[in-house]
Amino acid sequence: AQSVTQLGSHVSVSEGALVLLRCNYSSSVPPYLFWYVQYPNQGLQLLLKYTSAATLVKGINGFEAEFKKSETSFHLTKPSAHMSDAAEYFCAVSVGGTSYGKLTFGQGTILTVHP
Amino acid sequence: DGGITQSPKYLFRKEGQNVTLSCEQNLNHDAMYWYRQDPGQGLRLIYYSQIVNDFQKGDIAEGYSVSREKKESFPLTVTSAQKNPTAFYLCASSIVTGARTGELFFGEGSRLTVL
Repeated sequence: AQSVTQLGSHVSVSEGALVLLRCNYSSSVPPYLFWYVQYPNQGLQLLLKYTSAATLVKGINGFEAEFKKSETSFHLTKPSAHMSDAAEYFCAVSVGGTSYGKLTFGQGTILTVHP
Repeated sequence: DGGITQSPKYLFRKEGQNVTLSCEQNLNHDAMYWYRQDPGQGLRLIYYSQIVNDFQKGDIAEGYSVSREKKESFPLTVTSAQKNPTAFYLCASSIVTGARTGELFFGEGSRLTVL
């Protein structure tokens, strides 16, 4: 079975500062990894995904994430935070194959951006 | 525009009543999913369906039921057997093959409150 741990339920940064949201995963087979963003009272939107191609994955809105197998990590970063980045972020893992869409989600990290 | 429509957005229910949440998609996706979201717990899979007239239990199926009579529709019934039904419910869909396998497209959610 796979699992995801997001370190830090709340992260606060100043506008223009680096954003770093941490995600560690556990999987017995090579994983598919995803980051989703959720704005208040809305559904989730895909930011980016890793599916065993390039280890550095670029997503929408200037976000990127790096897959590090040795550290079982898939941390999300953005060089310069914008007020519009304030939202809740979820890391998720899938083992692919016949389990495509059956994602296991982390607990979520709420990102606050201060002016 | 293609997407997923969930209704109602807000729903109040008295204890002991069944309630059905609607989910319709026009993305021509084969797979559909229901997730439950509680604060600080991420998303947990209730049921999923990979094809019409077939569905499987997820991690927390007790007290819920679904049907998949049409490709576009995947309604979720929250029964009186669900002990703690107050939550935010998210419907999602995905393709089952190809480069975008595993990417979930979400509706905007239905918030159920039991009075």
